[in-house]
Amino acid sequence: AAGVIQSPRHLIKEKRETATLKCYPIPRHDTVYWYQQGPGQDPQFLISFYEKMQSDKGSIPDRFSAQQFSDYHSELNMSSLELGDSALYFCASSSQRGANSPFFGPGTRLTVL
Amino acid sequence: KQEVTQIPAALSVPEGENLVLNCSFTDSAIYNLQWFRQDPGKGLTSLLLIQSSQREQTSGRLNASLDKSSGRSTLYIAASQPGDSATYLCAVPKNFGNEKLTFGTGTRLTIIP
Repeated sequence: AAGVIQSPRHLIKEKRETATLKCYPIPRHDTVYWYQQGPGQDPQFLISFYEKMQSDKGSIPDRFSAQQFSDYHSELNMSSLELGDSALYFCASSSQRGANSPFFGPGTRLTVL
Repeated sequence: KQEVTQIPAALSVPEGENLVLNCSFTDSAIYNLQWFRQDPGKGLTSLLLIQSSQREQTSGRLNASLDKSSGRSTLYIAASQPGDSATYLCAVPKNFGNEKLTFGTGTRLTIIP
């Protein structure tokens, strides 16, 4: 069965650079969520989209932005990267705005040097 | 603000033993509760989802219970195996559906062969 796809799986950037993470939800899933998990931390909700519109917002820095496209894939754009942005970034998708259990992707590991 | 706590933070048990992981949440007005498994550096795998109207859910050797009034959930693992070694996280949604999951601090489980 198709799962949530995230790319790239690993990314290394320098401070002050930008990064773009991509998420491809499970087919027919209309809701996408982004989470950030720092080393030794539990995942923290960043932002979510339903039918291409932002549906909820968590602790997402102003330096980050995200959107969901017409094909339902989503991108998380991160600018002016800081060392503290190093983390595992998860994308999850669900159908019917979370009425069903979300499925998580494998994550993108971002390392900022 | 919902806070989710898991005790203990780490647990080591010999193979074959039954064990219980605990999850506590401060706001009992939850829609559902999920248990996830996370292998080191990997994504999140949903194990069980309990709706607020349910008291327990079972899947194979796993059994999760929910006591909303006391703000507690337990994950029971029967006849533990080395392959069960992972971090187990519980999570509750902010509101209807599964938007903005608040994760617990996790329990790192090690099964000793």
